Amino acid sequence: DVVMTQSPLSLPVTLGQPASISCRSSQSLVYSDGNTYLNWFQQRPGQSPRRLIYKVSKRDSGVPDRFSGSGSGTDFTLEISRVEAEDVGVYYCMQGTQWPYTFGQGTKLEIK
Amino acid sequence: QLQLQESGPGLVKPSETLSLTCTVSGGSIYSSGSYWDWIRQPPGKGLEWIGTISHSGNTNYNPSLKSQVTISVDTSKNQFSLTLSSVTAADTALYYCVSVRSNSSDWYFFDFWGQGALVTVSS
Repeated sequence: DVVMTQSPLSLPVTLGQPASISCRSSQSLVYSDGNTYLNWFQQRPGQSPRRLIYKVSKRDSGVPDRFSGSGSGTDFTLEISRVEAEDVGVYYCMQGTQWPYTFGQGTKLEIK
Repeated sequence: QLQLQESGPGLVKPSETLSLTCTVSGGSIYSSGSYWDWIRQPPGKGLEWIGTISHSGNTNYNPSLKSQVTISVDTSKNQFSLTLSSVTAADTALYYCVSVRSNSSDWYFFDFWGQGALVTVSS
């Protein structure tokens, strides 16, 4: 299985400040079709997860542009340029390149 | 816009079989390139992918659960289902049904989620 390792696991952030979450995979996530199927999900308290970013850096419809994804191969990053109160929750990276699909452990973002 | 809704018993006894159904609305479960997955989340923990079924019935399961899991599709009802046999307390979780789409050159994972169904395994 591809192991997805996130850091940090806890992320206290001051409102308006930037935040960054790292995700590393145990194997390259480049698929045979040339795409890299690395996704980021946000799970607000009491809600189902919601996809924010797909294929490393493509933002889903309705996702604020303060969210951005980057990376390649085995190292990926989710950045929030200015954290807002509604960003509180747990963030997961997930790989869809290889079965079984696997998630990172989750990073809990909270407001300081 | 796809909508997914899980349904099924909220309480299952140890060693028995957990059964959940996901009803899909806003689109056909038989659409080419559609895949239908189950993901679970134990209370206070992270996400675990359980398995997938294609619109034509091809399945792939997480090896960690393969001996327990069956996913099936009922195109006449626009539903797909999960059964998990011989459950233990470790199978207590929020179970989500989710969609995956593919076309000739791309895959789109988990863009639509159900609200989740909490299943507790307890005698």
